[in-house]
Amino acid sequence: NAGVTQTPKFQVLKTGQSMTLQCAQDMNHNSMYWYRQDPGMGLRLIYYSASEGTTDKGEVPNGYNVSRLNKREFSLRLESAAPSQTSVYFCASSEEGREVETQYFGPGTRLLVL
Amino acid sequence: AQSVTQLDSQVPVFEEAPVELRCNYSSSVSVYLFWYVQYPNQGLQLLLKYLSGSTLVKGINGFEAEFNKSQTSFHLRKPSVHISDTAEYFCAVSDATASGGSYIPTFGRGTSLIVHP
Repeated sequence: NAGVTQTPKFQVLKTGQSMTLQCAQDMNHNSMYWYRQDPGMGLRLIYYSASEGTTDKGEVPNGYNVSRLNKREFSLRLESAAPSQTSVYFCASSEEGREVETQYFGPGTRLLVL
Repeated sequence: AQSVTQLDSQVPVFEEAPVELRCNYSSSVSVYLFWYVQYPNQGLQLLLKYLSGSTLVKGINGFEAEFNKSQTSFHLRKPSVHISDTAEYFCAVSDATASGGSYIPTFGRGTSLIVHP
């Protein structure tokens, strides 16, 4: 049981390049999330998917797109990377239910945009 | 929307001393509260959570937190810290009355606990 996995672990991009961050969970969770973590800013929600086939914007969605490929996988795409997108990106998942469930986080992707 | 304030960005403490990390949230509506820990170069993992019931919640690694509705606080405490407790700690809150299937916690900015020998 690997939990939440993310690839790649590290990435360096030049301004204007595109890339996709991959996330997968093996806990049969319905909900998945993408956050970015910046120093002194905590975690900010980029996009989330409450269930397979649905996605919604979070607090900071500009410059990103997401795809909920199936129940297991939720990818984050940067179409034209900017230096302001240098950050650590975390994927998380949780069960959907009447009571909020614990979020399980992946190890993160460290992205540097030059 | 909820907001979360972690009053200290950094808390230095000596090993075996007690520690309290403070967290306040914005609204007095029914809430769920969480503390997560992030060790260096890792993802976040849950320390403890309050959903309902007893206001004193015990978590892993000897941590506990107390929910105070009147003060809208959820402070994290440990009576005796170890070097291995050095990490970033995040408080999070979600609205328990939210409709729909997804309750998404809002995170504070984090408190860096630094334990000195």
